[in-house]
Amino acid sequence: EPEVTQTPSHQVTQMGQEVILRCVPISNHLYFYWYRQILGQKVEFLVSFYNNEISEKSEIFDDQFSVERPDGSNFTLKIRSTKLEDSAMYFCASSDGGLKPQHFGDGTRLSIL
Amino acid sequence: AQKVTQAQTEISVVEKEDVTLDCVYETRDTTYYLFWYKQPPSGELVFLIRRNSFDEQNEISGRYSWNFQKSTSSFNFTITASQVVDSAVYFCALIHSYNNAGNMLTFGGGTRLMVKP
Repeated sequence: EPEVTQTPSHQVTQMGQEVILRCVPISNHLYFYWYRQILGQKVEFLVSFYNNEISEKSEIFDDQFSVERPDGSNFTLKIRSTKLEDSAMYFCASSDGGLKPQHFGDGTRLSIL
Repeated sequence: AQKVTQAQTEISVVEKEDVTLDCVYETRDTTYYLFWYKQPPSGELVFLIRRNSFDEQNEISGRYSWNFQKSTSSFNFTITASQVVDSAVYFCALIHSYNNAGNMLTFGGGTRLMVKP
């Protein structure tokens, strides 16, 4: 069964550094998403992306964050200058319709020191 | 604004017991979709079911069943004859359909289910 893949599985970064989280969505999906989950808390929406542009973003997704689809297969989340509170599990998801089920990757655990 | 509430933060049952996970939602939209996801200890999020707001038929899939009641804004999930492998955190989630360009899932806080042998 096709799946969403995320790399790396764990990223440790010093505060203030830039970090890029990578995702390969399911190949025939056109809608892409990032969510995060702070340890022990609920899953929070960050951003959705369709037709090469952001379609929706949350208050969390401020100027420090950006997303990109650099080629036909990858979807990336960049955090420009990381803060301690950015430590979380980041999930990428994709779907084949805007209201269809979103299929999630295994997540990248981001630890900011 | 929309909101999903899972009042049960943790439930513990013994194997073979039936268990119901509650989900209550708030939305001003007349068209919306409800979901359940499972997060096993390994951490991934696994899609279980999607329901639209116009379809109040209950659904059964093996040991899993879902009861959608629009009148009480609830979408409850029952596991029959629970097994140790059902131990996970279960999230209820909601999408509103104001556009079709990729909508955010609003998640509840999750219910941690522990099934003991």
